[in-house]
Formats: sequence, structure tokens, C-alpha cells
Amino acid sequence: ETGVTQSPTHLIKTRGQQVTLRCSSQSGHNTVSWYQQALGQGPQFIFQYYREEENGRGNFPPRFSGLQFPNYSSELNVNALELDDSALYLCASSLLPAGNTIYFGEGSWLTVV
Amino acid sequence: GIQVEQSPPDLILQEGANSTLRCNFSDSVNNLQWFHQNPWGQLINLFYIPSGTKQNGRLSATTVATERYSLLYISSSQTTDSGVYFCAVGTGKLIFGQGTELSVKP
Repeated sequence: ETGVTQSPTHLIKTRGQQVTLRCSSQSGHNTVSWYQQALGQGPQFIFQYYREEENGRGNFPPRFSGLQFPNYSSELNVNALELDDSALYLCASSLLPAGNTIYFGEGSWLTVV
Repeated sequence: GIQVEQSPPDLILQEGANSTLRCNFSDSVNNLQWFHQNPWGQLINLFYIPSGTKQNGRLSATTVATERYSLLYISSSQTTDSGVYFCAVGTGKLIFGQGTELSVKP
């Protein structure tokens, strides 16, 4: 157990809908990153939040957005869902600036139909 | 950007066998990590190893940064070692390889 919790674990949405995924970070960690993992692929970096601000973004469109709260928990929001958004969404927490250890949650499996 | 390639893509072993997984990266890095993804999807951090060699039980890893590769050794494999092994480089934004899917048969 890493202490990083994600919810929901599984969900099914219809194309065009919006989804919110949630993540509680490891105690003592101040940074949350989100990754998308399509079936059979490695995780792809979506963005990172540090002290409630976006601190780096991967190659994802603006309909992927996020928040980090004062307690360092985070949300990932995806608008206008597309079939290709079906994937495992992983949250990772770490401690910036000096920490090297990164802990991942168990992920949220999203299916878009 | 940095490219990360892992080999082999798939590996089937008999319990008790040893294996070596390889990770090549296209540019110099100051951070390399190995992860194991279990069947439920969770990524478990195995090693943070930007250079040198580390060992943890039956697992060990070596990174030769000047030659841009890292190796993960699994000795006396067990069925619980099954899953997908990823290497990832970067600080903050991790760049993952495609993974090696390991299946250990009893």
C-alpha cells in the first residue's frame, strides 16, 4: 500500500460526457502528477500540480484539466469525452523539490462508450 | 524528446529461472526508475537508479548512464513476479518505456 488513493476505481461514461477523477496523495507529499495509460502502452504524462498550480503539462488537449487543493489532493477533469480517452488514469504523488520517490495509486479505469 | 525503449516486450519464464530486462534511453538522464505494474494496475516503485547498481532481495538493477542503458535482473523468479515492468526517466514528468510483460509459470 502506497497511501495514494484514487476514486472511482472503475467507471463507464458516454462519448461527449464529462468525468472527474480524484486522488489523495501520500502523507507529506506536496506534488501530484496524472498519467494516462492506454491498453498495452506505458503511462503518458498528462500534467503535474505543485502548491495548487500546474507545474508542467504533457501533450494533452485543454479539455484535460486539473486542480490541486490545499491538502494536496487533486482532481482530473476531462470534458467532451472521446472513445480514445478510454484508459487507466494513474495519479502519482511525490515531494518537491528534493524528493525522488514517487508513489502511484491503483488507478481509475475509464471506459468511454 | 527522450525516447525510452524496453526489451524484450514479452517474456515467459518457468518458476526459478533468472531473467534480464533492458531499458535503453536516447539522451543523458539524471533520473531513472524501475516499476512493476501488478495485474490490478498499480505501479510499484522498485528502484531509483540514475547510475550504479542496487540490489533488493532477488531483484537488482544496474544503470550505465554513459552508455544510456539500464538492466533489471530478476533471480529465482516466482509467480508473483508476473506483471509488466517499466523503466521511466525524468524528474517530475516521467517518460515511460513500453514495458516488458513477464509471465512466470509454476
